[in-house]
Amino acid sequence: DTGVSQNPRHKITKRGQNVTFRCDPISEHNRLYWYRQTLGQGPEFLTYFQNEAQLEKSRLLSDRFSAERPKGSFSTLEIQRTEQGDSAMYLCASSPRVVAEGTDTQYFGPGTRLTVL
Amino acid sequence: AQKVTQAQTEISVVEKEDVTLDCVYETRDTTYYLFWYKQPPSGELVFLIRRNSFDEQNEISGRYSWNFQKSTSSFNFTITASQVVDSAVYFCALSEAGYSGGGADGLTFGKGTHLIIQP
Repeated sequence: DTGVSQNPRHKITKRGQNVTFRCDPISEHNRLYWYRQTLGQGPEFLTYFQNEAQLEKSRLLSDRFSAERPKGSFSTLEIQRTEQGDSAMYLCASSPRVVAEGTDTQYFGPGTRLTVL
Repeated sequence: AQKVTQAQTEISVVEKEDVTLDCVYETRDTTYYLFWYKQPPSGELVFLIRRNSFDEQNEISGRYSWNFQKSTSSFNFTITASQVVDSAVYFCALSEAGYSGGGADGLTFGKGTHLIIQP
């Protein structure tokens, strides 16, 4: 059983460029989450999908950020016109079908480290 | 709004000592979930435990144990007989059940405690 995978693992870009990250969740996990983690801080929630529907967005997700999960499997996170403040680790997590208890454990991928020069 | 506080930024102990990592949370919901994750130097968050708000029973898993106290809004984590491999950043996190009770909200993390186990 493979875990959550993310590509690329590292991305260096120049300010103003667009970048796209990909996340492949654990198979059959219908929920997929994106987080951002800066140095010395805990991860911060950005957005999540249930199947292909994007159900929640954090106020941290500015209009330069867009996420998709077109077929309810993998997801992409795109940042347009990157800024130096976007430099962070971008983490993806997935969780299985919600059970009666109300929430499920999120399993994280290795992250994509973005450096904006 | 929910909040998680991990007041200990860094803890350093000598191998084989016991160590407790503190976690205090704030939430208005009566149904919520608490988690601990470990982030080793490789960077990947590793799930350790999940506890719901109705289950205050403490849990032990090998050298790890967790003490959940609703009266003080705390969910502390103890490592007994620490080992060098326990060195990592440990995060406490909170998830509220959400308006629908579906528990869909993203996790709210504390800032983490950097645990250093010296040989």
